[in-house]
Amino acid sequence: EAGVAQSPRYKIIEKRQSVAFWCNPISGHATLYWYQQILGQGPKLLIQFQNNGVVDDSQLPKDRFSAERLKGVDSTLKIQPAKLEDSAVYLCASSFRQTGVNTEAFFGQGTRLTVV
Amino acid sequence: GQNIDQPTEMTATEGAIVQINCTYQTSGFNGLFWYQQHAGEAPTFLSYNVLDGLEEKGRFSSFLSRSKGYSYLLLKELQMKDSASYLCAVGHRGSTLGRLYFGRGTQLTVWP
Repeated sequence: EAGVAQSPRYKIIEKRQSVAFWCNPISGHATLYWYQQILGQGPKLLIQFQNNGVVDDSQLPKDRFSAERLKGVDSTLKIQPAKLEDSAVYLCASSFRQTGVNTEAFFGQGTRLTVV
Repeated sequence: GQNIDQPTEMTATEGAIVQINCTYQTSGFNGLFWYQQHAGEAPTFLSYNVLDGLEEKGRFSSFLSRSKGYSYLLLKELQMKDSASYLCAVGHRGSTLGRLYFGRGTQLTVWP
């Protein structure tokens, strides 16, 4: 079974530039998550999709971050404009249904973003 | 809010047993997960507990006490490849169903 695919693996941009990350979840997984993992910390949820609808985006800095999952499969996360504090690994995860009892999330390898 | 606490670092030797503790404070508890994350890699699922007690899976076991807000991950017969960060995560029910709240991770180093 193919895992969660993310691209690019690495990205270096200057502050105030924009950047986009792409995620292809495991086939058949209705729920998709974007997490931000700052060095030395655990992942923090940014946004959760159920099919193509947003379930939870309470921790997404909406003034600069946006995400979409138009056809309920692939998703993109965009940052515009980027700040130095956005330097982190951006992890995409998917699960068959919303994570909970008997349902774990499967993570991609992440995109390591460095803002200089 | 959610508060999840685990040690920052631990070290052990090959063949030994190590226990990584995790304490949490949360409302709407919906299961506790352990993930393993090697440097530069994706977190991979190890175990989950939703009821009190011990769940054993090969060399790894995980324990949960909901009344104490406490879990541990037990790793037996340690191998060099077990050097990684171990993330404790709490699932939440209610309006944030599906969200996992992660601890900072425990960096385990296994020495030969």
